[in-house]
Amino acid sequence: QKEVEQNSGPLSVPEGAIASLNCTYSDRGSQSFFWYRQYSGKSPELIMFIYSNGDKEDGRFTAQLNKASQYVSLLIRDSQPSDSATYLCAVDPGNQFYFGTGTSLTVIP
Amino acid sequence: EAGVAQSPRYKIIEKRQSVAFWCNPISGHATLYWYQQILGQGPKLLIQFQNNGVVDDSQLPKDRFSAERLKGVDSTLKIQPAKLEDSAVYLCASSLDYTRVVYNSPLHFGNGTRLTVT
Repeated sequence: QKEVEQNSGPLSVPEGAIASLNCTYSDRGSQSFFWYRQYSGKSPELIMFIYSNGDKEDGRFTAQLNKASQYVSLLIRDSQPSDSATYLCAVDPGNQFYFGTGTSLTVIP
Repeated sequence: EAGVAQSPRYKIIEKRQSVAFWCNPISGHATLYWYQQILGQGPKLLIQFQNNGVVDDSQLPKDRFSAERLKGVDSTLKIQPAKLEDSAVYLCASSLDYTRVVYNSPLHFGNGTRLTVT
């Protein structure tokens, strides 16, 4: 099993703040990186993906990738209570999608 | 576009009984995955199919779990006999085609089957 590590949290931020979620991975051959959001009792849903070093922005979400450090992060700007969920990092060394344990985020109104 | 369909949504069985789950992937998706997600953990890959062939089943407990995708579309996952530790959500997912070098080919998940073994 490839290693994908996340801080399990819980992470609490006030409404309107920036939430920062981090993920490290062990397989240097990994090509693609995905962030999924999972609400309690629901299945994971894709937020965004990244495969080039640097930043990728999509609305309030920014994914950051540093392959040299084997590190990927997700920033959520202007956090809303509806962002409260578990965020799963997934790493793809060749379309085999290994998941971390997830970080639980709570946005406090 | 219809999503990944799974059934049943919930199942409660006693240990040593058998159970089967069904999955229908998104139309045109060649790759199908079964994941096990235990409460508080991330999804763990059990088996991956490419069309009707197995790509990876290294983490499938083959003494009790079996899966098939005979016609390269629908898939079933079976547990026989079930153990208490099999209580989990079983997620089916599909993606376009893992053999293509498509970096933005994400997984699409079904709603899952929540299994409780008593």
